Amino acid sequence: DAGITQSPRYKITETGRQVTLMCHQTWSHSYMFWYRQDLGHGLRLIYYSAAADITDKGEVPDGYVVSRSKTENFPLTLESATRSQTSVYFCASSLAGESNEQFFGPGTRLTVL
Amino acid sequence: TQLLEQSPQFLSIQEGENLTVYCNSSSVFSSLQWYRQEPGEGPVLLVTVVTGGEVKKLKRLTFQFGDARKDSSLHITAAQPGDTGLYLCAGARRDTNAGKSTFGDGTTLTVKP
Repeated sequence: DAGITQSPRYKITETGRQVTLMCHQTWSHSYMFWYRQDLGHGLRLIYYSAAADITDKGEVPDGYVVSRSKTENFPLTLESATRSQTSVYFCASSLAGESNEQFFGPGTRLTVL
Repeated sequence: TQLLEQSPQFLSIQEGENLTVYCNSSSVFSSLQWYRQEPGEGPVLLVTVVTGGEVKKLKRLTFQFGDARKDSSLHITAAQPGDTGLYLCAGARRDTNAGKSTFGDGTTLTVKP
């Protein structure tokens, strides 16, 4: 049982390029989330999804696009990467309900040159 | 303004010492989670507390949820080097829940042998 996986684990790209980070979960969790983690800022929510075809902005959505055509996948696209988007990106999932327990992937370390 | 304030931000102690880290807010939470994150990995859920005044124990870790459900603490007894990591608290608010949680910036704990 793979749980939640992210790919790639490491990515180096150049300013202006489009980059897609993949997230896949095998639990059929309703909710999925994308966070970025930077020194001094903790985990900041970029986008989240309550179910397939339902997405909503988080705290820092500018410069990012998401889609969720299938429950198990939640890709995050940087349409035109900027240096400020250099970060570690985490995907997470959770069951619907009040407990909000989230299960995280291993992260993608993205460097934009 | 950070919704969840964690303190201290950094803590370095010797093996065998006890410690307490705090997670404070002016908001009421329907549930609160504690996560531990090791370098290069995603956060891992340790515990969820949902009832005001609740105390949960996980081996040498004791978690407490404040009576008013606005704050929480994590106490570690006889810390070990394996406890080293970033400890994050996250709260879910019933009024703005939508499946989301707010994360604190974390406490970085280093336990020296």
